[in-house]
Amino acid sequence: GDSVTQMEGPVTLSEEAFLTINCTYTATGYPSLFWYVQYPGEGLQLLLKATKADDKGSNKGFEATYRKETTSFHLEKGSVQVSDSAVYFCALSRTSYDKVIFGPGTSLSVIP
Amino acid sequence: DVKVTQSSRYLVKRTGEKVFLECVQDMDHENMFWYRQDPGLGLRLIYFSYDVKMKEKGDIPEGYSVSREKKERFSLILESASTNQTSMYLCASSLYRTGGNEQFFGPGTRLTVL
Repeated sequence: GDSVTQMEGPVTLSEEAFLTINCTYTATGYPSLFWYVQYPGEGLQLLLKATKADDKGSNKGFEATYRKETTSFHLEKGSVQVSDSAVYFCALSRTSYDKVIFGPGTSLSVIP
Repeated sequence: DVKVTQSSRYLVKRTGEKVFLECVQDMDHENMFWYRQDPGLGLRLIYFSYDVKMKEKGDIPEGYSVSREKKERFSLILESASTNQTSMYLCASSLYRTGGNEQFFGPGTRLTVL
């Protein structure tokens, strides 16, 4: 069945460091791919998405590119801030009527 | 902006009690979902609904039931609460015909069963 794998955390970075959180997926067809973020004490919110191969999703300085050939959707940010400390979830959905499959989440802590 | 609200942020119940968790969304979304979130396990889907009075089992429906009498409201029911149902419960909604099925989440209810 469909699944999402993402790097184990927690990840700890210094402010202004470069961030990469790896995400790979297994799915038939052409799923839509998402990154959700959960700040402490809150529910999840959509960070960015891509709906077809080679699309790049971007928001708040974060980017991820849909790579069909490597079935990957890695999240990157050039310079993290303390306010980026959160749990990040990679997710996929095969059609607009399907359930969303979430990865296990990666906890990020950014220290000053 | 889409708003998804949940009736309580924190709830403490005793073993064997019947527990109701309420979720309301204000954007006329067709789909609504209930997840539980546990450390190391991520989000697991309990139940979902694509229409009023319609429900589908998710990955872990045992010990839970749901009710959707109105489009904007989706209730999760723990028929007889047990300690292993202590968890964070997240409600979400999505627009039926949106490509990619983006979901909007409520703030969560942290349930403790003693």
